[in-house]
Amino acid sequence: AQSVTQPDIHITVSEGASLELRCNYSYGATPYLFWYVQSPGQGLQLLLKYFSGDTLVQGIKGFEAEFKRSQSSFNLRKPSVHWSDAAEYFCAVGVTGFQKLVFGTGTRLLVSP
Amino acid sequence: DGGITQSPKYLFRKEGQNVTLSCEQNLNHDAMYWYRQDPGQGLRLIYYSQIVNDFQKGDIAEGYSVSREKKESFPLTVTSAQKNPTAFYLCASSPRAATNEKLFFGSGTQLSVL
Repeated sequence: AQSVTQPDIHITVSEGASLELRCNYSYGATPYLFWYVQSPGQGLQLLLKYFSGDTLVQGIKGFEAEFKRSQSSFNLRKPSVHWSDAAEYFCAVGVTGFQKLVFGTGTRLLVSP
Repeated sequence: DGGITQSPKYLFRKEGQNVTLSCEQNLNHDAMYWYRQDPGQGLRLIYYSQIVNDFQKGDIAEGYSVSREKKESFPLTVTSAQKNPTAFYLCASSPRAATNEKLFFGSGTQLSVL
């Protein structure tokens, strides 16, 4: 069965600094990969997704992610973090033939002044 | 505006009581989902529905029930059999039930036990 690992529970970044959130998945074939963001007490919003093609995908709010098959990773990056980026970030994986996504446990991003 | 509406925002349950969480969408999506979110555990799928009058159990369906009598509505009942119901519940929808589809989420219901 597919699984998703987000090894960092919390990350603190200074405003203006770069950000990388890690995501590793476990599945034999190329999966569908997603990053969602959740503000406190709210639902999730899609940041970006990867299905095939170019391994570097651009998303909303200045985020990007890179699919690395050899490392089974799909890390999320942003070159300069803003205070409004403080939220919880979830990586998710889907596979062909199934109807449900599998979510990671999330990484909470704190932004310091 | 199109979207997903969950109500109520906060809900309290007494011992032995069944409670129902509402989820309505006007996106004309075929698929709808219920997730449970606990701190540090991410999102876990409770039930999903691919089409009206059809639904399937997810990973943690015990103690929950759903119905899908209308395309736009997918209510979740938390029964007295669910011994640890305190959690944040999220409803989502997608155009169809496939894992390459973007999920659209409601703003959630926080359920607590009195």
